[in-house]
Parts: sequence; C-alpha cells; structure tokens
Amino acid sequence: DAGVIQSPRHEVTEMGQEVTLRCKPISGHNSLFWYRQTMMRGLELLIYFNNNVPIDDSGMPEDRFSAKMPNASFSTLKIQPSEPRDSAVYFCASSFKGTFDEQYFGPGTRLTVT
Amino acid sequence: GDSVTQMEGPVTLSEEAFLTINCTYTATGYPSLFWYVQYPGEGLQLLLKATKADDKGSNKGFEATYRKETTSFHLEKGSVQVSDSAVYFCALSGTGRRALTFGSGTRLQVQP
Repeated sequence: DAGVIQSPRHEVTEMGQEVTLRCKPISGHNSLFWYRQTMMRGLELLIYFNNNVPIDDSGMPEDRFSAKMPNASFSTLKIQPSEPRDSAVYFCASSFKGTFDEQYFGPGTRLTVT
Repeated sequence: GDSVTQMEGPVTLSEEAFLTINCTYTATGYPSLFWYVQYPGEGLQLLLKATKADDKGSNKGFEATYRKETTSFHLEKGSVQVSDSAVYFCALSGTGRRALTFGSGTRLQVQP
C-alpha cells in the first residue's frame, strides 16, 4: 500500500516567491496534519483537518501561510510570499479515526528559501 | 497546555548496550502516549503506543510503560543495534484533541 505522498521532496526558492507543497494522504484516512520541523523549534503542528475541514490552525505562523483540503485525497500548504525563516522540513501526516491517533507521516519536503 | 519533555541528546552507546530514553509529560485528563522514530532523511514512524495507565507498548525489542503516577513514558531496549541509530520522539495525544504534541527528540547513535 502507498503511504503518505508528498511533493516536491526538495524545493529551493528565492525570498518573495510563492511556494506550494502537496500531500496525498493514505486512502481511507480522514484526518490530515501539516507539521514543520526545524533545528531551533523541533516539530510543530501547523494545521490539521478532519473530514476535509480545518479543525485547528492555531499553529499557522502568519497570514503568509494557508492550507486547503479540497477533497479527501489531496491537500496543499502554500506560503506567499516566502521568507528565509520559512526554511524547514514540512511533513504531512494522516490518520484514521478510531486508531488512537496513529499518524502516518510522509517523507517530508525540504524547503530552502534564499 | 500539554507538553512533553525528553532527555537531551545525543545518546551514544555501543552495540548490545542497554538503552533508556526518558520522557515525561504534562497533560490534563488521560492522554494517549507514543514513541515515534525518525531515520535519516525519512519521516516519522510510529514505534509503539500506550493508551491508558500501566499499559506497556512494545515493538522491535523496544518497550515503554505508561506511568500516570510519575507522568512518564520512558523508552527502553535491552540490546541496541547499529540500525537503531535514529532520532526518537515522545508524543502525546491529549483528551479531546486529536493532534499530537511532540517532545524535542533524542538522537541515538549506536557504535559497532
């Protein structure tokens, strides 16, 4: 079975550019999570969706960040405009209600903003 | 709010040594507790979990017991291997909140 799929795996962009990260959760999972991992701050939850609806976006750093889940099999995290401090590894994870929050993580997108 | 505290790393051990990575938590109610492992260049993988007090989670030789009286969930393994080298994250899922709160991670390096 395919796991959580993220694209691209690596992204290098210049400050001010728009960046879009993509995630395909595991089929049948109804919760999706976006995390950011940095050396300084560790692993932080940005936002999570349940049944395609955003439940908690309190971790989204600022208005430059936005996330959407138009259907059960696809989500995007967009940064516009990007800044060097956004450089991090961004993980998407999904889980199935009833499994005590066993989250399955994708391989991550390493974002570098120069 | 909920929080998880892990011991600072890196932890460096020789092959076949005994491993303990300490984890304590703060949460209201009765959280579920997890250990995740991250190998270099990969995403996190669930290693083991416990959902109520005194439960013991185990997998691949690793064990952790949910201790409510000490609010702890320490990870142990009797004999580590080089292939266990990775970063280990303790996490909890608080009552009514389905997102995970992670500790800062502990890097384990096992030398042959």
